[in-house]
Amino acid sequence: AQSVTQLDSHVSVSEGTPVLLRCNYSSSYSPSLFWYVQHPNKGLQLLLKYTSAATLVKGINGFEAEFKKSETSFHLTKPSAHMSDAAEYFCVVRGGNSGGGADGLTFGKGTHLIIQP
Amino acid sequence: DVKVTQSSRYLVKRTGEKVFLECVQDMDHENMFWYRQDPGLGLRLIYFSYDVKMKEKGDIPEGYSVSREKKERFSLILESASTNQTSMYLCASSIPDGQGGNEQFFGPGTRLTVL
Repeated sequence: AQSVTQLDSHVSVSEGTPVLLRCNYSSSYSPSLFWYVQHPNKGLQLLLKYTSAATLVKGINGFEAEFKKSETSFHLTKPSAHMSDAAEYFCVVRGGNSGGGADGLTFGKGTHLIIQP
Repeated sequence: DVKVTQSSRYLVKRTGEKVFLECVQDMDHENMFWYRQDPGLGLRLIYFSYDVKMKEKGDIPEGYSVSREKKERFSLILESASTNQTSMYLCASSIPDGQGGNEQFFGPGTRLTVL
């Protein structure tokens, strides 16, 4: 079974400082990993995805994530936070716990990113 | 652009009512999914479908059923709504991808309140 653990339920940073959102995964095979973002009152949007190509993945809005197999981690980073980055972020692994089949997704519980002015 | 639409943004129903949540996608995707989202729990998969008239249980199917009569439409049914089904419901669709890495496209969500 596949699972992800987001290590922080809330992260608060000042505008212009780096962002780090932590995610560890568990997978019985080589995983496909994603980060999704959900802005208030908006739908979920894909930020980036890792599918066994380059381990450093670049996404939209200046975000990137690095796949580290030895640490089973897929942390999301951004060099300089912007007020518009305030949102809920979800780390996701392909494959369900008990459902969803091969194309299903298993979501972490989310990290709420707060940007201080 | 892929578009996934859901019939209502907000819905208020009474305990015991039968509730239909509708989802339509316009990109001819084979896969469709229903999730519920609750604070601190992330998204949890209720049901999914790989094709017309095909359905599979997800992680939390109890109290729900689904219908997929047409490829573009996937309905979630609460046979007898209960207060613990108050939640945000999200529909998604995707192309099958045996290689992995397929993106799911999400609708805006329906916030259901059961009184």
